[in-house]
Amino acid sequence: ELKVEQNPLFLSMQEGKNYTIYCNYSTTSDRLYWYRQDPGKSLESLFVLLSNGAVKQEGRLMASLDTKARLSTLHITAAVHDLSATYFCAVDMVYNTDKLIFGTGTRLQVFP
Amino acid sequence: GAVVSQHPSRVICKSGTSVKIECRSLDFQATTMFWYRQFPKKSLMLMATSNEGSKATYEQGVEKDKFLINHASLTLSTLTVTSAHPEDSSFYICSARGGQGNRYGYTFGSGTRLTVV
Repeated sequence: ELKVEQNPLFLSMQEGKNYTIYCNYSTTSDRLYWYRQDPGKSLESLFVLLSNGAVKQEGRLMASLDTKARLSTLHITAAVHDLSATYFCAVDMVYNTDKLIFGTGTRLQVFP
Repeated sequence: GAVVSQHPSRVICKSGTSVKIECRSLDFQATTMFWYRQFPKKSLMLMATSNEGSKATYEQGVEKDKFLINHASLTLSTLTVTSAHPEDSSFYICSARGGQGNRYGYTFGSGTRLTVV
């Protein structure tokens, strides 16, 4: 059974600080997604990582993928309050059983 | 870009009644649709996967008779919660994948908040 775990589950950080969220998964996959969810809302797509070594950046967020280690990271640079949300990674099982499995989620709270 | 419309966004129903949730891909043909359930402050749990014209594949532990999924066309999938009870209250999100070569990846609907009273 595929497991997708995120660390930490909850992150409270001060504005201006940097931090990294980790996403570990238990089976082979070449596709990993990062999403943002605001309270009461659906998912907003942030990044799609399609190969080993892929790195993508958008604003203060940068995501990377290491398929050999089965690890993806989401790095936050100089956090601002607007980044407060829950972040999910998700692993694509399309080459196996054709489904997207979500990580446990990381609730990020950025305070002044 | 790909858009998935999910309706209704909120529904309150009485215990014992059935509720239907629709998920439509507006500008692409969705070869596969997925239904997720999310409890407060928890992750998304995959309930079932459906392909157009065939029976849905349910995840372990999901009651097929309670959560009826129909994927009658390449642009529409429905989830019917039958004989709803308060424990079925949750946030339900659909996702569609399609386009030529699945180029749109996974596109998510806006979600449906179901409250059973």
